[in-house]
Amino acid sequence: AQKITQTQPGMFVQEKEAVTLDCTYDTSDQSYGLFWYKQPSSGEMIFLIYQGSYDEQNATEGRYSLNFQKARKSANLVISASQLGDSAMYFCAMTVYGSSNTGKLIFGQGTTLQVKP
Amino acid sequence: GAVVSQHPSWVICKSGTSVKIECRSLDFQATTMFWYRQFPKQSLMLMATSNEGSKATYEQGVEKDKFLINHASLTLSTLTVTSAHPEDSSFYICSARGRDRDLNYGYTFGSGTRLTVV
Repeated sequence: AQKITQTQPGMFVQEKEAVTLDCTYDTSDQSYGLFWYKQPSSGEMIFLIYQGSYDEQNATEGRYSLNFQKARKSANLVISASQLGDSAMYFCAMTVYGSSNTGKLIFGQGTTLQVKP
Repeated sequence: GAVVSQHPSWVICKSGTSVKIECRSLDFQATTMFWYRQFPKQSLMLMATSNEGSKATYEQGVEKDKFLINHASLTLSTLTVTSAHPEDSSFYICSARGRDRDLNYGYTFGSGTRLTVV
């Protein structure tokens, strides 16, 4: 069974600084995908970044980068140059592509990020 | 890009009544639809997975007779909360998966429905 863990319920960051949101995962499958989503107070799920288990390079998308450490089973999200609009809840999620593939996307507990002016 | 339209965005209903939530994929065929439930400040909990034309698969602990899921076409899936009670008040959100896994890496979310049962 797959499991995602986010241990930081809440985080504060000063505007323009960088922040790292932690995510660890557990699966016995070798082929899997890791996602980060942003959920503002409106509730919509905004896709931020994706990392495949076989991708050798860490994923980057603008100010977002994913620090993928496969041996440690961690997929931390780094947001550089934080903006006030980054204040939201952030979720790490995972799906597996191997023999136990059901297509399910399983989410971590979430981290609420607040950016201070 | 891929879009999933979810309606209504919010609904208030009386205890004991049923509420239907719709998710439509507007520009792609959703072969699979995932339905999630989210309580305030908590994670998205998967309720069920539905494939077009077949019965939904429910997660452990989710009452299939209470949360009826229909996925009769490749562009429409519905979740009906039957005999709703105040404890069913929550945020419900769908996620569609199409054949083209390059679209949002396979998952496109609706905008969610905030259900309040009074």
